[in-house]
Amino acid sequence: SYVLTQPPSVSVAPGQTARITCGGNNIGSKSVHWYQQKPGQAPVLVVYDDSDRPSGIPERFSGSNSGNTATLTISRVEAGDEADYYCQVWDSSSDHQVFGGGTKLTVL
Amino acid sequence: QLQLQESGPGLVKPSETLSLTCTVSGGSISSSSYYWGWIRQPPGKGLEWIGSIYYSGSTYYNPSLKSRVTISVDTSKNQFSLKLSSVTAADTAVYYCARLVNYYDSSGYLEYYGMDVWGQGTTVTVSS
Repeated sequence: SYVLTQPPSVSVAPGQTARITCGGNNIGSKSVHWYQQKPGQAPVLVVYDDSDRPSGIPERFSGSNSGNTATLTISRVEAGDEADYYCQVWDSSSDHQVFGGGTKLTVL
Repeated sequence: QLQLQESGPGLVKPSETLSLTCTVSGGSISSSSYYWGWIRQPPGKGLEWIGSIYYSGSTYYNPSLKSRVTISVDTSKNQFSLKLSSVTAADTAVYYCARLVNYYDSSGYLEYYGMDVWGQGTTVTVSS
């Protein structure tokens, strides 16, 4: 089955740029979605289809996808961005939604 | 504004069947643009997709759970449901329902724009 690999943790100072990666075999051929989950809350879609943002999501959140790595980029990081972030794809070869293991973003 | 609400028992005994319902309000479950799904999250762990259903009843299941999972839809009640049989402590988790935005690409293959609306989640504990 298709596997998505994320780093367990990423740390960044306020105002800097955070980059969270999601690795998968030829992931560039798939549509990648990203979710933010704060403690005790349901996940929120922050980027879909590699790089599009749902309404209400700040422009600071952006995404890219090429080759074997997709990346969620958060610019001008704020304390309120501290959360777990998950990447997700639809694996059409197995008709299976797949989540990455999640990355905990810590704002120093 | 579309809202999803999970409901069902918070405690299930080992070997029994877990049953949850997701009620959709503020929109119709019978839209061609959406699948409806169940996702769970064990304590302190990541998200796991359980399965998804279309309003017509077409389903997709996680292969690791397929033998124990049934997802059904009741369009008259604007609800869809999850049944997970033969539960063990490993099935203890927060269970979420969500809306999946779907489309067909230029080659006619099913694709998704992600899970854009989620319920608040319901905690299910498997214990005797």
